[in-house]
Amino acid sequence: GAVVSQHPSRVICKSGTSVKIECRSLDFQATTMFWYRQFPKQSLMLMATSNEGSKATYEQGVEKDKFLINHASLTLSTLTVTSAHPEDSSFYICSASFGLVLTDTQYFGPGTRLTVL
Amino acid sequence: GQQLNQSPQSMFIQEGEDVSMNCTSSSIFNTWLWYKQDPGEGPVLLIALYKAGELTSNGRLTAQFGTTRKDSFLNISASIPSDVGIYFCAGLYSGGGADGLTFGKGTHLIIQP
Repeated sequence: GAVVSQHPSRVICKSGTSVKIECRSLDFQATTMFWYRQFPKQSLMLMATSNEGSKATYEQGVEKDKFLINHASLTLSTLTVTSAHPEDSSFYICSASFGLVLTDTQYFGPGTRLTVL
Repeated sequence: GQQLNQSPQSMFIQEGEDVSMNCTSSSIFNTWLWYKQDPGEGPVLLIALYKAGELTSNGRLTAQFGTTRKDSFLNISASIPSDVGIYFCAGLYSGGGADGLTFGKGTHLIIQP
């Protein structure tokens, strides 16, 4: 149980385009979903927390107009990287939780590798 | 923000050896989590610790929540090839109206043939 999927697993795009990444909880309803960014050989950095039906809460330093998060249902959250640039290239990982806060157990998706040319 | 020091950064061991890694901080955490991440995959939760002093096992893995709430360790006994990967600790803290999650920088475990 507690399976989280992400789509796509890999995406390559041109600079200036927007990319949408989907995160789905397949066998449970996720009250909260989290989005992380991971650079090569680095740790995970929390970008934002989203609760179904409300606006996402962004961590300090993360541009909310750059990284648009929509949590339309209890099983789906999307992250859109708008006007992507090469420095946005990274591994983006989502996680989903039954609870409302970071202290509740998170189940991670397999990640999406974004490469911006 | 909270800082976690995870060590060692990498380990080169022989199959069958025991492994030990730890995370320390100058800050207090309410929960310690240990994850394993395979290349190109998301992290998988191994063990969660919720109380100071708690010692929890998951198969060949054992983790402990330090009594000061500022550290945690993870041991792997009798390592096998599939243990290769990157192990992350993560500390959760709450208080002052804010919850936070901090990850360590990871321990890269390499098993030599």
